[in-house]
Amino acid sequence: DIVMTQSPDSLAVSLGERATINCKSSQSVLYSSSNQNYLAWYQQKPGQPPKLLIYWASTRESGVPDRFSGSGSGTDFTLTISSLQAEDVAVYFCQQYYATPPTFGQGTKLEIK
Amino acid sequence: QIQLVESGGGVVQPGRSLRLSCAASGFPFSSYGMHWVRQAPGKGLEWVAVIWHDGSNKDYADSVKGRFTISRDNSKNTLYLQMNSLRAEDTAVYYCAKDRNGWYLEDWGQGILVTVSS
Repeated sequence: DIVMTQSPDSLAVSLGERATINCKSSQSVLYSSSNQNYLAWYQQKPGQPPKLLIYWASTRESGVPDRFSGSGSGTDFTLTISSLQAEDVAVYFCQQYYATPPTFGQGTKLEIK
Repeated sequence: QIQLVESGGGVVQPGRSLRLSCAASGFPFSSYGMHWVRQAPGKGLEWVAVIWHDGSNKDYADSVKGRFTISRDNSKNTLYLQMNSLRAEDTAVYYCAKDRNGWYLEDWGQGILVTVSS
């Protein structure tokens, strides 16, 4: 199975500041023939299901604020929140869908400093 | 508006069975692959199973293979998860989710809690 490792496990950022979450896969999730990275990011608030934010590593889901962006390729990926808002407090997960079984990172808890 | 509503959860003794259902609406159910994902209390996300849009293919996590069966009834817009030989480690919130052009999950139900305990 592809192991997804996120860093850090938790993060405290001041309102309006940048938040950066990293995700590393144990093998490449770049499909060479399509040049697509099979990597998604989700946001989960307490008591709620996960919400899709980013897919194909950098494509923002419809309705997701543009302060959220995804980058990276191969085995190293980043989710960036450019200016943290109070409503962004949540746990964030990366997921690879390159190979079965699809696997998730352990999650990064984002809080306000 | 897409809706996925899970039901059938509850408390069950180890070794017993339970069947979860997920009622779908607001999209052409028979056109999409569907998944079950679970989350143990206070833990991360674990993918459980997938079924192709037409039910022709299924796949499972090793942790549930041989014990759980995913199925669907496209005439009823409903997804199922038959869980047999339940163990304490199967205790989790179970989510059904819809995929799109790949196994990223664009819509999720609210989840249903399954507790395996004597």
